[in-house]
Amino acid sequence: QVTLKESGPVLVKPTETLTLTCTVPGFSLTNARMAVSWIRQPPGKALEWLAHIFSNDRKSYTTSLKSRLTLSKDTSKSQVVLIMTNMDPVDTATYYCARSPLYCSGDSCYSNEIDFWGQGTLVTVSS
Amino acid sequence: QMTQSPYSLSASVGDRVTITCRASQTISSFLNWYQQKPGKAPKLLIYSVSTLQSGVPSRFSGSGSGTHFTLSISSLQPEDFATYYCQQGYSDPITFGGGTKVEIK
Repeated sequence: QVTLKESGPVLVKPTETLTLTCTVPGFSLTNARMAVSWIRQPPGKALEWLAHIFSNDRKSYTTSLKSRLTLSKDTSKSQVVLIMTNMDPVDTATYYCARSPLYCSGDSCYSNEIDFWGQGTLVTVSS
Repeated sequence: QMTQSPYSLSASVGDRVTITCRASQTISSFLNWYQQKPGKAPKLLIYSVSTLQSGVPSRFSGSGSGTHFTLSISSLQPEDFATYYCQQGYSDPITFGGGTKVEIK
């Protein structure tokens, strides 16, 4: 069983930078074969994948938001941090962090399904 | 891009329900299904087209290949009324379908 917990501000102003933290207690983000994703869901709308980071530090971002997103890991705290710049009211959403197992052959790894999700944190962008 | 149909459906307890997901290009077998209830995080139901996640009832099943996939519920139960999403894990960026809401008739 993997537990993930999101933390961060509930309210940000337009143009501000959002910093969200995902804590995965009990797991080494370097040694465990896993990827941590951020996914968001505006109220009443569909899921949107934002980015993920592998245990080997490989990162990938959704194309439409790539210029605004930065992912990093703090392995000593078992945390993954998402930074999203220049927030806009359309970015109002529940933000989830979630885990994918990695399938590896030698040094080559890939992910597929997302098997554990955090409870999500609602971020509202408003002045 | 992942396209789900229908957008929503109404069904009765005991009905068989089928939801379709189409990919804009081949995604091999990297297709997964999730169930989401209001106010809750999504839950993985099926991965790699047809493998049931641990603890998921056997009335759920998945099939398909290439670009066309389906999720079926053989006999709808009250707890199955929810929104269902498909997701491709074949290539980055990962993408989700738009969701199918299953409502009580």
